Amino acid sequence: SQKIEQNSEALNIQEGKTATLTCNYTNYSPAYLQWYRQDPGRGPVFLLLIRENEKEKRKERLKVTFDTTLKQSLFHITASQPADSATYLCALENNQGGKLIFGQGTELSVKP
Amino acid sequence: EPEVTQTPSHQVTQMGQEVILRCVPISNHLYFYWYRQILGQKVEFLVSFYNNEISEKSEIFDDQFSVERPDGSNFTLKIRSTKLEDSAMYFCASRQGLGGGNQPQHFGDGTRLSIL
Repeated sequence: SQKIEQNSEALNIQEGKTATLTCNYTNYSPAYLQWYRQDPGRGPVFLLLIRENEKEKRKERLKVTFDTTLKQSLFHITASQPADSATYLCALENNQGGKLIFGQGTELSVKP
Repeated sequence: EPEVTQTPSHQVTQMGQEVILRCVPISNHLYFYWYRQILGQKVEFLVSFYNNEISEKSEIFDDQFSVERPDGSNFTLKIRSTKLEDSAMYFCASRQGLGGGNQPQHFGDGTRLSIL
């Protein structure tokens, strides 16, 4: 069955450092992979999308890589700030229908 | 920036009762979705809706669930006879069109449904 795995343990880093979050998947061939941010009691907020034929995508302090051979995406936040503290969700989408399949999320805590 | 709005933010209902969760998607969006998130678990797809009909539904979306877009503005999720295990956060999402690129799904802040 399809499976998406993200770092299950919370990630604690110091302000200013780079946070790296991992998303691995099996038994799936997504056309798109997306990263969302979720704060407690709030809905997911879209951050970045990367296509299967793209290796890397950047937006300001965010960078996503996508390796369809390894079936893995890495999500980087450079120069992290306490305001980046949240749960980050990886989501896969196939070519049809547009439904998202989410990982369980990784909680990031950035300490001042 | 336009956003998806959901009401109510919290709904408490007795088991066996019907509940309707309401969503107002972003106005020029064409595709609509419901997801749920049980406390401490992952966000799960329930149903997608396009052109006034269901495009796809998950195993969770059984005969007790239905969706409707009654007036071209609201998008509702109805649970006919609620069970304890329906307690969860329910998220509505909309997107402008299919395909990736610059057309992500935009989520509301959810309705917390508590079944007693």
